Amino acid sequence: QLVLTQSPSASASLGASVKLTCTLDSGHSSFAIAWHRQQPDKGPQYLMKINSDGSHTKGDDVPDRFSGSSSGADRYLLISGLQSEDEADYYCQTWGLGTVVFGGGTKVTVL
Amino acid sequence: QLQLQESGPGLVHPSETLSLTCNVSGGSIRSGNYYWGWIRQSPEKGLEWIGSIHWGGNAYYNPSLKSRVTMSADTSTNYFSLKLTSVTATDTSVYYCARQTPVTAEFDNWGQGTLVTVSS
Repeated sequence: QLVLTQSPSASASLGASVKLTCTLDSGHSSFAIAWHRQQPDKGPQYLMKINSDGSHTKGDDVPDRFSGSSSGADRYLLISGLQSEDEADYYCQTWGLGTVVFGGGTKVTVL
Repeated sequence: QLQLQESGPGLVHPSETLSLTCNVSGGSIRSGNYYWGWIRQSPEKGLEWIGSIHWGGNAYYNPSLKSRVTMSADTSTNYFSLKLTSVTATDTSVYYCARQTPVTAEFDNWGQGTLVTVSS
């Protein structure tokens, strides 16, 4: 079964950096994933796709402060220079085996 | 710039059929070999993929919902639609439509969402 695991919450100060982790189950550790940001009372916004080798492709108009990387079954989203609008829920998403799966989301608080 | 907008009733009665449409503007649903998907979100289940359809008619659905879901696409009006039958209170959610990239299948453009409540 295709499963994505995320920590429920993360926090960092305004202007600092935060690194979010999305972990694939062991049977699908080579899969690519996508990251989405959901600001309060808004629909999700696509940020980027990350491959198993760490290469990533960002969506249109995604700020440079967002970057991605990979290690084993972990896919990372790094937000540098946190801004107030980055206080949001972040979801990872993957696909395969005829289905699409989302992680449970990480709520980022900007202190 | 591509925009997606969901529309449909905000209230559906139990056992009835939920019907939503997604109007796509700023681009054609026939271009680029994309799929077009529906995703819903509730506090209990988080984000849940419902299904995706290609303009040519090929569709695939979440196995847990497959028996109740039908999707269609209309290239003349540039929208796609969702029907979910025999709804219960557990189908109460915010429903999103989104564009899904070919091959790699991430959702790269989302609508703003529409709340559907199932209640008598």
